[in-house]
Amino acid sequence: TQLLEQSPQFLSIQEGENLTVYCNSSSVFSSLQWYRQEPGEGPVLLVTVVTGGEVKKLKRLTFQFGDARKDSSLHITAAQPGDTGLYLCAGGSGSARQLTFGSGTQLTVLP
Amino acid sequence: DTAVSQTPKYLVTQMGNDKSIKCEQNLGHDTMYWYKQDSKKFLKIMFSYNNKELIINETVPNRFSPKSPDKAHLNLHINSLELGDSAVYFCDSSRTSEIYTGELFFGEGSRLTVL
Repeated sequence: TQLLEQSPQFLSIQEGENLTVYCNSSSVFSSLQWYRQEPGEGPVLLVTVVTGGEVKKLKRLTFQFGDARKDSSLHITAAQPGDTGLYLCAGGSGSARQLTFGSGTQLTVLP
Repeated sequence: DTAVSQTPKYLVTQMGNDKSIKCEQNLGHDTMYWYKQDSKKFLKIMFSYNNKELIINETVPNRFSPKSPDKAHLNLHINSLELGDSAVYFCDSSRTSEIYTGELFFGEGSRLTVL
């Protein structure tokens, strides 16, 4: 069974601060996706990374896929209240033919 | 237009009852899924259908039975509901059955509460 552990589980910060969320596994993944879920809604895809060492930027969000494709990080610069939500990483594996979701990080950005 | 729609959004029922959740997608996708999100927000796949054919069936009690009348619809029927079935159930779809790279489009979820 492939497991993805996210840390921290909960994060509460002030507007304007920077933060990093981690997604770690002992398994190798073909790809890694990051989703954000707001209350009462389904998760929405933010980014997909597929190459070891790949870095993608989405405005103030920076995503990195580990060289060994076992881990990933999400860095947010100058967080805003609108960034509040549940961040989920999801690893894709051709052998498993499915996405495995991480345990989630609940981020709260206070104004 | 809602891309993936589920009904009902909320469902409160007594233990032992049978209930269904319906899902429809208008994205023209080939593959649809049911995921369960527990109280700790952990998302776990239950079933996956590609062109009306079951391709993933995780370890789920056989009280749960998916039905796909066509590739735009995937319904979930649950028999003899138990307290532990309380969760949010998400229907979603993707463009391809190679789901490890394709984007999943989620519905808004159906919150099931079993009393």
